[in-house]
Amino acid sequence: DAGITQSPRHKVTETGTPVTLRCHQTENHRYMYWYRQDPGHGLRLIHYSYGVKDTDKGEVSDGYSVSRSKTEDFLLTLESATSSQTSVYFCAITEGLAEETQYFGPGTRLLVL
Amino acid sequence: RKEVEQDPGPFNVPEGATVAFNCTYSNSASQSFFWYRQDCRKEPKLLMSVYSSGNEDGRFTAQLNRASQYISLLIRDSKLSDSATYLCVVNSPSGSARQLTFGSGTQLTVLP
Repeated sequence: DAGITQSPRHKVTETGTPVTLRCHQTENHRYMYWYRQDPGHGLRLIHYSYGVKDTDKGEVSDGYSVSRSKTEDFLLTLESATSSQTSVYFCAITEGLAEETQYFGPGTRLLVL
Repeated sequence: RKEVEQDPGPFNVPEGATVAFNCTYSNSASQSFFWYRQDCRKEPKLLMSVYSSGNEDGRFTAQLNRASQYISLLIRDSKLSDSATYLCVVNSPSGSARQLTFGSGTQLTVLP
């Protein structure tokens, strides 16, 4: 257990509304990641962070922003949700000597109507 | 071409069978390789890392062929509890450090 929680676990929202997902970790991990998972696409990286206030874009970052003001929290924001952002969102951290082994939170299921 | 490709399956096998999954990756500079397991509606969980010399963990054996850019996972004596989706994962050296690329997964169902 890598001590990762995500909130909310489920959310239904309407197109055009802002949505913020939270990832919280308790073990002072430096690297944190946001992925989305859709059928046929596997896990795709949205944004990641390599420290407080240090973030960068992943493969599918359009329409998403992130913030990391504290080591333990990594927030993912959909400024104006669209139906194409209906997905399962996973947060992850890295562990290990090379910090390449990733461990995932339980996920957030988001439905945009 | 996808960076990491897997046969999506599904593989339906009887209990006790041996089953093998294959995966190919496109970036020859990749150095780290993993198999993850994902149960339905759950998060992916690390099953095992894959080392150059091949490695075994109980009923699971992972192999790496760098020349062919190919990774395999062998499951012996399948159990009902092995039913899951298996994800092939490769590090992405062209991106920033510590990024991983995930295959779409191979679905396994072990039948009683």
